[in-house]
Amino acid sequence: EAQVTQNPRYLITVTGKKLTVTCSQNMNHEYMSWYRQDPGLGLRQIYYSMNVEVTDKGDVPEGYKVSRKEKRNFPLILESPSPNQTSLYFCASSPRQERSYNSPLHFGNGTRLTVT
Amino acid sequence: GENVEQHPSTLSVQEGDSAVIKCTYSDSASNYFPWYKQELGKRPQLIIDIRSNVGEKKDQRIAVTLNKTAKHFSLHITETQPEDSAVYFCASMEYGNKLVFGAGTILRVKS
Repeated sequence: EAQVTQNPRYLITVTGKKLTVTCSQNMNHEYMSWYRQDPGLGLRQIYYSMNVEVTDKGDVPEGYKVSRKEKRNFPLILESPSPNQTSLYFCASSPRQERSYNSPLHFGNGTRLTVT
Repeated sequence: GENVEQHPSTLSVQEGDSAVIKCTYSDSASNYFPWYKQELGKRPQLIIDIRSNVGEKKDQRIAVTLNKTAKHFSLHITETQPEDSAVYFCASMEYGNKLVFGAGTILRVKS
């Protein structure tokens, strides 16, 4: 089954304890992206990757890191989580994402992160 | 960068009535405008999209219209049903290949 898989679904952690949220897609998509969803703010892009070894900042990259060493995986790393990073996180992928070729985003099931 | 404003933030309609959600964007170079539906506790899913060379697109009870001059686009749902209750997000792709989302509209269809 074609899908985007995020883990874990729920995570409660404490301030400063490094964590990684994994994202994997089995559709051979070039484009992958991370969003955070907060009430009243919609989906805000954290980082995105147009292809392997290519990553770029989105609108809210502070406090996050990503890597794209393989096409299928795009982990989100919080080196020193803080309470303001408590949010619902979504990973998404699509075949390509550029002005001349737009394709729908396929979202993962989300990761609800709480930082105390 | 692109800014997308979405209205209203909440919308309640009676089953069978129509619902309209409106979005405005700031980047005149934006060329792709998708709409996503997110049911409670689930992931967003694409329901319809439109490109800048088209003024209107329909898919059964759902339609999207685009006014490039005014830089706004709208989602129209006719004959609403309880299963249409969800959060709806509009989005706009700006020149830098980045998809910018609106803040979302909570649609409640009352039966």
